[in-house]
Amino acid sequence: QSALTQPRSVSGSPGQSVTISCTGTSSDVGGYNFVSWYQQHPGKAPKLMMYDVSKRPSGVPDRFSGSKSGNTASLTISWLQAEDDADYFCCSYVATKYVFGSGTKVTVL
Amino acid sequence: EVQLVESGGGLVQPGGSLRLSCAASGFTFSSCWMSWLRQAPGKGLEWVANIKPDGSDTHYLDSVEGRFTISNDNAKNSVYLQMSSLRVDDTAVYYCAKYSAYSGFDFEYWGQGTLVTVSS
Repeated sequence: QSALTQPRSVSGSPGQSVTISCTGTSSDVGGYNFVSWYQQHPGKAPKLMMYDVSKRPSGVPDRFSGSKSGNTASLTISWLQAEDDADYFCCSYVATKYVFGSGTKVTVL
Repeated sequence: EVQLVESGGGLVQPGGSLRLSCAASGFTFSSCWMSWLRQAPGKGLEWVANIKPDGSDTHYLDSVEGRFTISNDNAKNSVYLQMSSLRVDDTAVYYCAKYSAYSGFDFEYWGQGTLVTVSS
């Protein structure tokens, strides 16, 4: 199972929006609505930010939103804030297993 | 409060074995699927294995199948990862994680991780 494809990095100024894409195949992202997103700050454990493509766990700001079209899922961060500066990973369920994306570094300028 | 505490990491030679443990608290452990995931230094996340609450169903990453074994002990609220025939590319921080109560296909709670280094 190959890793899902994410851009290496995206950046934006505070208050702007950024979108991170996560491209897979019809066997993973396109085949299930079980895409989740994780935020990871350096030296910390990952934090669940989105599940089932577009659902936010309790406590995650509504500045974060998720969507999917075909084999590509996306995470949008609106109104960027300094604390959003982190790595982000997508993850898709794949028939009893899971595959992660390669990760995207979000830089808040 | 959900807590997951991993232990057992360390330095091991290629071909060696290691057993990781994850002690859970703050939730009904016997009702939850659990997973092990890993992250090689400077790399992305990788799912490794998961286990059904009663231990009757397990799944593995292809590259660890036959070398790693996940197990649990509901009496001790713990999940384990027995790793054998370790390779250099198994070097990583290993996390245990609890599936969320939202949909059951995502990882809501993570431990702090334990570092496994495979090197001669």
